[in-house]
Amino acid sequence: GQQVMQIPQYQHVQEGEDFTTYCNSSTTLSNIQWYKQRPGGHPVFLIQLVKSGEVKKQKRLTFQFGEAKKNSSLHITATQTTDVGTYFCAGRYGGTASKLTFGTGTRLQVTL
Amino acid sequence: GAGVSQSPSNKVTEKGKDVELRCDPISGHTALYWYRQSLGQGLEFLIYFQGNSAPDKSGLPSDRFSAERTGGSVSTLTIQRTQQEDSAVYLCASSRTGESGSPLHFGNGTRLTVT
Repeated sequence: GQQVMQIPQYQHVQEGEDFTTYCNSSTTLSNIQWYKQRPGGHPVFLIQLVKSGEVKKQKRLTFQFGEAKKNSSLHITATQTTDVGTYFCAGRYGGTASKLTFGTGTRLQVTL
Repeated sequence: GAGVSQSPSNKVTEKGKDVELRCDPISGHTALYWYRQSLGQGLEFLIYFQGNSAPDKSGLPSDRFSAERTGGSVSTLTIQRTQQEDSAVYLCASSRTGESGSPLHFGNGTRLTVT
């Protein structure tokens, strides 16, 4: 079946360091979304990417969608303790009415 | 309400008993998902309802699991003859579809503990 893998599974950084998580699919995605789940909370939508090679920024967060639409990345510049949580990518393999398949997630820990 | 509502928030049951978990999606959302999340793990897809189409049940782990969505709104996930490995947080999410950038809105989940 279609799977979305994320690496790394876990990363521990010091506040101020950068962080990147990568999302990979074996088959082409129609679009990809990113979610953040704080400890004890539920996933919250961050952004959607649709176009090949698309790059979007939200303050310190930069999201990219690969040219082949099989991979994506989330980069956080100068992490803060408020960035702690698990970051999930989620992709669709069909149109906007197709189901969303979540990646395995990357847990980020930030310490002072 | 403004968000996705799930009930109960916590459920403790004995092995072998049946349980029903309820999800009230955001009004007007045509898509509804059920996911399962074990402690520290990712989101395991269970079932997807989209409008009047037949649900995608490909993620249901066994025939003990079933779900229905009545009138295109409220959904119930039923687990029969619960096992200890069913213990997890069950998350429901809804979204508008047919619109660009239709994100999933998650409920707070039901934490199921099977003793």
